[in-house]
Amino acid sequence: EDKVVQSPLSLVVHEGDTVTLNCSYEVTNFRSLLWYKQEKKAPTFLFMLTSSGIEKKSGRLSSILDKKELFSILNITATQTGDSAVYLCAVEGSAGNMLTFGGGTRLMVKP
Amino acid sequence: GAGVSQSPRYKVAKRGQDVALRCDPISGHVSLFWYQQALGQGPEFLTYFQNEAQLDKSGLPSDRFFAERPEGSVSTLKIQRTQQEDSAVYLCASSLVGGGFSNQPQHFGDGTRLSIL
Repeated sequence: EDKVVQSPLSLVVHEGDTVTLNCSYEVTNFRSLLWYKQEKKAPTFLFMLTSSGIEKKSGRLSSILDKKELFSILNITATQTGDSAVYLCAVEGSAGNMLTFGGGTRLMVKP
Repeated sequence: GAGVSQSPRYKVAKRGQDVALRCDPISGHVSLFWYQQALGQGPEFLTYFQNEAQLDKSGLPSDRFFAERPEGSVSTLKIQRTQQEDSAVYLCASSLVGGGFSNQPQHFGDGTRLSIL
């Protein structure tokens, strides 16, 4: 059975800080790992990672995948209050096209 | 439409009632998924459609849960004889292509928050 574990469960930082969110996984026949941001509504797509060692970047957010050690990290630099959300990590494996999600990391950025 | 649309946004029902939740995926998206998200947890897979075919329903928790997508676009998730443990947010997602290594992310709707009294 596919499994995703995220850490930390929650995190409180101040504006301007840099944060690193962790995601480890066990999956049969890995296809991809995805990061989503969830505020009060829909999870919003951030990144899809399929290859090890290639950093994906979007503004202040970046992510990288290590398929040997079975983990990914999401970095947010110069955090802003608008970054406050739950960040979800999910993997797609051979069980089908479905995603298996971790429990999320709740990030709070204080002014 | 521009995004995945779900209705209603909120639904309150009494235990034992039947409910129907609607999902309108992004136009042209082949794949459609339903997930259940309990408070403070990540979404959990319920079922998957490729066009009108329901290819995976392994996540449906009981035979009280039923989903359909008769014309390959709009989908309905029906829960019969609701129980309190059915209270959750029900998320729908769609992606452009289906099957195999598609490299296409799933895009989610805002969900329906279901409360069973």
